[in-house]
Amino acid sequence: GQQLNQSPQSMFIQEGEDVSMNCTSSSIFNTWLWYKQEPGEGPVLLIALYKAGELTSNGRLTAQFGITRKDSFLNISASIPSDVGIYFCAGYRSPSNTGKLIFGQGTTLQVKP
Amino acid sequence: DSGVTQTPKHLITATGQRVTLRCSPRSGDLSVYWYQQSLDQGLQFLIHYYNGEERAKGNILERFSAQQFPDLHSELNLSSLELGDSALYFCASSGNRGLTDTQYFGPGTRLTVL
Repeated sequence: GQQLNQSPQSMFIQEGEDVSMNCTSSSIFNTWLWYKQEPGEGPVLLIALYKAGELTSNGRLTAQFGITRKDSFLNISASIPSDVGIYFCAGYRSPSNTGKLIFGQGTTLQVKP
Repeated sequence: DSGVTQTPKHLITATGQRVTLRCSPRSGDLSVYWYQQSLDQGLQFLIHYYNGEERAKGNILERFSAQQFPDLHSELNLSSLELGDSALYFCASSGNRGLTDTQYFGPGTRLTVL
């Protein structure tokens, strides 16, 4: 099925470092969502973006809806061990007349204490 | 806790069998979505129900079917199971018709077909 291009595929960083990941598409999206999934659990919503250019923060997490509406990025500042997990971007294509949420392949984050 | 519940947590069965996965949406949510997550395919949208009616279908096999009941809980039926059906199955819910809704995911059911 169609998916977003998410990168990087994986990251292994030192505690305290900042992290950046992004999603791109050749299609226009009207909503971007960022989720985190830990082993054996369902994806948990981190940030939702609804307007082009929108910049939203949730604690140490910041995400932006790209101006072109074809991309989004997620930054994590001052990473800590509990940030470990798989981060997924997801979005609804424009125009959207269904509830089909399209997911990226995920970025696996590992943090070394 | 997202408020979405799924049962069972784990399911082990044999090829050719049929299973039913159950999902209860967040209180007040009218939309229910089903997803399949396997190692090589990521999260794949299967089907969306809104207030008892099917709204959209994704990559759902003909051997699979779903329904949403008047109390808004949903069931995903998987029949004639094959080894390749082994995966995590997630249910999500949202408040409206799902055009741009934020979806909240349940903890998933891990299906193992032997």
